[in-house]
Amino acid sequence: SQQGEEDPQALSIQEGENATMNCSYKTSINNLQWYRQNSGRGLVHLILIRSNEREKHSGRLRVTLDTSKKSSSLLITASRAADTASYFCATSGGSNYKLTFGKGTLLTVNP
Amino acid sequence: IAGITQAPTSQILAAGRRMTLRCTQDMRHNAMYWYRQDLGLGLRLIHYSNTAGTTGKGEVPDGYSVSRANTDDFPLTLASAVPSQTSVYFCASSPGLAGPNEQFFGPGTRLTVL
Repeated sequence: SQQGEEDPQALSIQEGENATMNCSYKTSINNLQWYRQNSGRGLVHLILIRSNEREKHSGRLRVTLDTSKKSSSLLITASRAADTASYFCATSGGSNYKLTFGKGTLLTVNP
Repeated sequence: IAGITQAPTSQILAAGRRMTLRCTQDMRHNAMYWYRQDLGLGLRLIHYSNTAGTTGKGEVPDGYSVSRANTDDFPLTLASAVPSQTSVYFCASSPGLAGPNEQFFGPGTRLTVL
C-alpha cells in the first residue's frame, strides 16, 4: 500500500508565486525525500530530510517535517515556468533502502 | 556518461510474449530497483536488489522476475505479458550504503501489451 499521500493532487499558480505541496504518511520513517518528474522523464531527487530534522533548505526549496503529525511540506519560492512538473514524496523506513512513493502533485506554473 | 540507461525506450508487445527490459548503471551502486508508473497510482515497486546476487519482491511482483548477476545490470523479465502490464517502467539505483540513500532514475520504458 502507498505510504505517502500528496496534497493537493494538482496545483496551478502564476510565475513568481510560492507553491506549497503536502505529504502525509502512515508509519514511522527514517527519512523522507522529495522527487520531481518532468513529463515523459524519470524522477530526479530534490531533497532529503531525516526523521530527526524539522526543516531543510536547498536553493528555492524548503522542506519541513513533522513526525508527530506524520506530514511533510515542500515549498517552492518564487516559482518559474520551468518548475512545472509532478512532485512526489517518498518515505524510507526499516533497515533496507526501499522507498515508498506517493501519487504525486502536478504543479503547473503559468508564465 | 554516468547514470542509468534503459532499453528499449518503448515497446508494443502481443499478449503472451516474453519480454526483457534492460537496465544498466555505471555508478557502481549496490542497490537497484524496478518500478512501474500508472496514471493515478504513482510509482509502485516491483522488485529490488540490495547487492549483486540478491533480489527481493516489492509491492507488485507478480508476473515479473529479475536477476542481478553483476553490479551494473538489473534486467526485468515479463515471462508471459498481459494487458495489465501496460505501463511505464522505471529502473533506479542507489549507493546502498549505510544511511539515507537517494535514488537515481533511468529515463523509463513505455510498454504497451495488446
